[in-house]
Amino acid sequence: ETGVTQSPTHLIKTRGQQVTLRCSSQSGHNTVSWYQQALGQGPQFIFQYYREEENGRGNFPPRFSGLQFPNYSSELNVNALELDDSALYLCASRLRQGPNTGELFFGEGSRLTVL
Amino acid sequence: DAKTTQPNSMESNEEEPVHLPCNHSTISGTDYIHWYRQLPSQGPEYVIHGLTSNVNNRMASLAIAEDRKSSTLILHRATLRDAAVYYCILRDLNDMRFGAGTRLTVKP
Repeated sequence: ETGVTQSPTHLIKTRGQQVTLRCSSQSGHNTVSWYQQALGQGPQFIFQYYREEENGRGNFPPRFSGLQFPNYSSELNVNALELDDSALYLCASRLRQGPNTGELFFGEGSRLTVL
Repeated sequence: DAKTTQPNSMESNEEEPVHLPCNHSTISGTDYIHWYRQLPSQGPEYVIHGLTSNVNNRMASLAIAEDRKSSTLILHRATLRDAAVYYCILRDLNDMRFGAGTRLTVKP
């Protein structure tokens, strides 16, 4: 039990729709990152938020966007869904106290299926 | 981007030590080496990390080569619960980039 909770656990959308995934970080953690994990592959970094600002982004298009709230919960929004967006989306939080610090705590993920 | 190379899969017998290798020849001086593992149907979990010196914790040991171009995660006595995908990651300032990892199978 990491203290990071994600919702929903599973959802099905159709191509072209929009989806919002939610994450509640572990208490006291000020940094959250999101990952996409396709079946049989390692997690791919989408972006990271620190104190409500995006401060790192992987190779994902702008239709992937996020928010971090003052209580450090966060959202991942994906617009214009494509079939290849079907994946497990993982949220991870940590307490950032300096560069390269802070163990990541992952949630169990939201599994998105796009039909 | 600094990258890591790991074997796709490894097998071990229960209660025997396991050495999981990782190559990272393009590592920079400020990159930390992190290991995470992912059990079936769960998110990844932290195992261990280090910069230059070997590290030990309750889960595992991390042996880092003197030139830092490779490292080895050591599980001292594998259990069935250790069956997972193990990821070796070079930690950048703002993100953690996973590779495909090594799938460890533990045989009873």
